[in-house]
Order: sequence, then structure tokens, then C-alpha cells
Amino acid sequence: DVKVTQSSRYLVKRTGEKVFLECVQDMDHENMFWYRQDPGLGLRLIYFSYDVKMKEKGDIPEGYSVSREKKERFSLILESASTNQTSMYLCASSPRTSVHNEQFFGPGTRLTVL
Amino acid sequence: ILNVEQSPQSLHVQEGDSTNFTCSFPSSNFYALHWYRWETAKSPEALFVMTLNGDEKKKGRISATLNTKEGYSYLYIKGSQPEDSATYLCAFNTGTASKLTFGTGTRLQVTL
Repeated sequence: DVKVTQSSRYLVKRTGEKVFLECVQDMDHENMFWYRQDPGLGLRLIYFSYDVKMKEKGDIPEGYSVSREKKERFSLILESASTNQTSMYLCASSPRTSVHNEQFFGPGTRLTVL
Repeated sequence: ILNVEQSPQSLHVQEGDSTNFTCSFPSSNFYALHWYRWETAKSPEALFVMTLNGDEKKKGRISATLNTKEGYSYLYIKGSQPEDSATYLCAFNTGTASKLTFGTGTRLQVTL
């Protein structure tokens, strides 16, 4: 059974803290993605990666960075968390060979920044 | 940024009702349209990938149609059950990259 796992289901942090959200996939996928989901706004792409050490900005990269040191792991970093980064964060992966780019998702991390 | 819209934003139906909702997307540069179901506390899971104008796909009581010329897709649920309660997301792909652009979702609640 293929899996995308995220390090935490719920996380509470304080304003100004550095926050790491980890995502691991066991499907040997080349592509990995980080989204945030907010009410009324749908899933918005923060960053994505096509391969190890490669990263590209999505639609809303401000305030975030990413790291892809190993193929199976894609980390989202909030350098200095702010209250407007309170959200549900979803990680996804897809194989480079996917014809229609179907993505496989983790269960999400609900982050609250106080 | 591509504009993908879903309506209604939320829907509350009784068990046994049939329902449908809409995904609107740009009709140019179409490559694929995805439907996902996202149940509370679970991962979004793929329902359908649709690529051809006029496509119809079916999985149990759920079916979807696609009109690429006018830029919309309908998702139908026949005889809704409480286990159908979820957020239904559509996602548009132009094929030039692996990215998907998601709609805002339709949240369906089915009660007894």
C-alpha cells in the first residue's frame, strides 16, 4: 500500500518560532509538493520539487522555504512562523512518468501559530 | 494563476438524495481534469482523471462528465450515503508541468 506520511497531524507553535514540517513518501516518486488549505481558498501550492536538491516556487512561497536532500523526503520550513501561517498543510507526490500527473497525498498537518 | 472554480461551496443533503456539483476551468490549454475526495482526518484520494471531451467516468454511485470546449465538469452522486460526506476537489492540469491547480472544493454533508 503506497504511502505519503507527514510528521505531525497537529502542531502548535508560537510566533517567531522556526517550524519544520516533514513529508516522506515510499513510492520512489520524483515529484513532491507542499500545499496549504484554507477555508474558501482551496489547495494552494507553496513549493514543489522535481528531484533531489531541486525546488521551485509555487503560487504562495512567501514566508516558506523547502529542503529536498533525499528523494523520499521533502521538508517545508517556516523560518519565522506568523499567525497568518495557521493552516492545514498537505504534502503530495507523483511519479515523473505519470501521464496525467495524478498526485498522492499525505493526511495533512494542522498548524496553529499563536 | 489559473482560475478553477467549484460550486456550490457546501451542500447538505439527506440520505438517499442524489446530488451534483460543478467544476469550471479554463477551456484553453486543457490536458486533464482530476476529481479527488477528501474525507475528514484522511488523505485526499483520487476519484477520476478525465482527459477527453465528452468523457464519462463512473465508480459505484459516483460519476463524472467532462466538457472541455466550455470548460466544466460535473460530479454526480446517486443515492447519497453518510459515508459520501467529504470535500470534493477538482484539479486542472495543462500538461506543461506536473502541477495541478485546485478548485476551492465542495463540502458535502449527508445526514440520515
